[in-house]
Amino acid sequence: EPEVTQTPSHQVTQMGQEVILRCVPISNHLYFYWYRQILGQKVEFLVSFYNNEISEKSEIFDDQFSVERPDGSNFTLKIRSTKLEDSAMYFCASRTGTGPYEQYFGPGTRLTVT
Amino acid sequence: GENVEQHPSTLSVQEGDSAVIKCTYSDSASNYFPWYKQELGKRPQLIIDIRSNVGEKKDQRIAVTLNKTAKHFSLHITETQPEDSAVYFCAAWVRGDTPLVFGKGTRLSVIA
Repeated sequence: EPEVTQTPSHQVTQMGQEVILRCVPISNHLYFYWYRQILGQKVEFLVSFYNNEISEKSEIFDDQFSVERPDGSNFTLKIRSTKLEDSAMYFCASRTGTGPYEQYFGPGTRLTVT
Repeated sequence: GENVEQHPSTLSVQEGDSAVIKCTYSDSASNYFPWYKQELGKRPQLIIDIRSNVGEKKDQRIAVTLNKTAKHFSLHITETQPEDSAVYFCAAWVRGDTPLVFGKGTRLSVIA
């Protein structure tokens, strides 16, 4: 069964550094999402992406964040200047353009900002 | 925007007993309600979902009920087993490219 993949599984970075988190959605999916989950808390929406542009973003997704689909398979989340509070698990998800509505989640990237 | 409340935050049951987790949502336009199970350090995995044109759905030991009028939905797990121990999240979704809005999660512990 096809799966969403993410790399790296764990990223440690220093405050102020840029990080890029990578995702490969399921190949025939059209909607892409980034969520984050701070340890022990709920999953929070960051941004959704459809038809090569951002379709919705949350208050968390400020100017320090950007997303890109550089080719037909990858979907990236960039954090320009990381802060301590960016430490979290970041999940990529994707779904088809029509029903069913299930969003398939990747295994996540654990980002640790020191 | 949509807001999803989930209760309880923790739940302990004896093996073989039933577990019930409840969620309420605020946006009457929400029409899809999935439940995810998340084991420690793993991705959320969909275990069951329900659309707003259905009142109840069952899959073996797991069932979900939806009350559109009251805007609440519940997860029922019967004959619980230790491997059911995990954090369960409910979510609500409206349409198209809108995101899933998650509840805060319920940590279920099944005691053998």
